[in-house]
Amino acid sequence: AQKVTQAQTEISVVEKEDVTLDCVYETRDTTYYLFWYKQPPSGELVFLIRRNSFDEQNEISGRYSWNFQKSTSSFNFTITASQVVDSAVYFCALNGGNTGNQFYFGTGTSLTVIP
Amino acid sequence: GAVVSQHPSRVICKSGTSVKIECRSLDFQATTMFWYRQFPKQSLMLMATSNEGSKATYEQGVEKDKFLINHASLTLSTLTVTSAHPEDSSFYICSARGVGQDLPNTEAFFGQGTRLTVV
Repeated sequence: AQKVTQAQTEISVVEKEDVTLDCVYETRDTTYYLFWYKQPPSGELVFLIRRNSFDEQNEISGRYSWNFQKSTSSFNFTITASQVVDSAVYFCALNGGNTGNQFYFGTGTSLTVIP
Repeated sequence: GAVVSQHPSRVICKSGTSVKIECRSLDFQATTMFWYRQFPKQSLMLMATSNEGSKATYEQGVEKDKFLINHASLTLSTLTVTSAHPEDSSFYICSARGVGQDLPNTEAFFGQGTRLTVV
């Protein structure tokens, strides 16, 4: 079974604080992909990152960084020096890797950055 | 990245009428399209998966006669909500996977979403 768990429903931080959004997944696939998406109030999904199961190297992109730990089935997302524009709902998603496979989304974490 | 255009972005309709939502892949051929529904403050729930030229596969609990999906070409899929009722009010998002130059077939690209309000 495929499942993504985002235990944090809502998080509030003060601007410039760092914040980590947790994501834990379950899958029986040996090859799979993990994603993070940002959904601002307007509703569209903004792609942030894709990581395949064979690449456990952590990634940093500006103020964003991702920590993929296969041993704990986690793919956590950290925003450094948060800004008000980071306020949004963030979704972690899992895909089995085969063409035609659906995405399994977590329930999302609503992040509010207070000025 | 590839672009998926969804139209309309927002629609209000009267109860009992039908509404059609379009999802187009603008610069690649979408061999598979997915339709999701998202209730306020909830996650995206897959409604159905369609492959070009074949019937859509609906998830359990989704009424296929109410949510008609057509994927007649490699660039267009439509979702028609028939005889809409207020409980159908929701945010609908499509996503497309396919083939194209430098396009990873494991990635799906999402439309902007359609906010449907049935009054």
